[in-house]
Amino acid sequence: DAKTTQPTSMDCAEGRAANLPCNHSTISGNEYVYWYRQIHSQGPQYIIHGLKNNETNEMASLIITEDRKSSTLILPHATLRDTAVYYCIVRKGFSGTYKYIFGTGTRLKVLA
Amino acid sequence: DTEVTQTPKHLVMGMTNKKSLKCEQHMGHRAMYWYKQKAKKPPELMFVYSYEKLSINESVPSRFSPECPNSSLLNLHLHALQPEDSALYLCASSRPGPEQYFGPGTRLTVT
Repeated sequence: DAKTTQPTSMDCAEGRAANLPCNHSTISGNEYVYWYRQIHSQGPQYIIHGLKNNETNEMASLIITEDRKSSTLILPHATLRDTAVYYCIVRKGFSGTYKYIFGTGTRLKVLA
Repeated sequence: DTEVTQTPKHLVMGMTNKKSLKCEQHMGHRAMYWYKQKAKKPPELMFVYSYEKLSINESVPSRFSPECPNSSLLNLHLHALQPEDSALYLCASSRPGPEQYFGPGTRLTVT
């Protein structure tokens, strides 16, 4: 299974951009990269996903390298409420049998 | 309604008990999932149901028995669990495609 590796923890000052890296060097051509976050044992919350193009939505931006071996999640203006564990995920399989392979997660702490 | 609900929120059970976890969604999603999450670890997939049929079983021990009675409801029946089965059990749903929506989880303690 494609594996993702992430730094264990990061700090970010409130109001600054948080850049969370993820390595997925064994990803296959049809496997998507997803990012979710989990706030203190609540259910994971969807943030963004992409295949090979950079993506942006109201929460974040996702930058995927051209060789697709790594990606970076960018929270443009981090707030205290963004403190959470952020998971980089590779989605495998086909419609009806999709599997999320979760990375180990990065614990982001936003500092006042 | 964009919510996945799970009951109960907390469950304590003995190793000889039989209990069930319940998950419900009314978003018309046709894929539903069970995950297990140990403390400070990422969620691990257990089962996937697609159109009410079991499509993935990640070699889960038979003491965990999933059931999908209809497209809105997913159960996980528990029997003869071990203390190491104590964890947060998460349910999720999706259209057969894009993102999964997760419920808040059931925190299970096996004594």
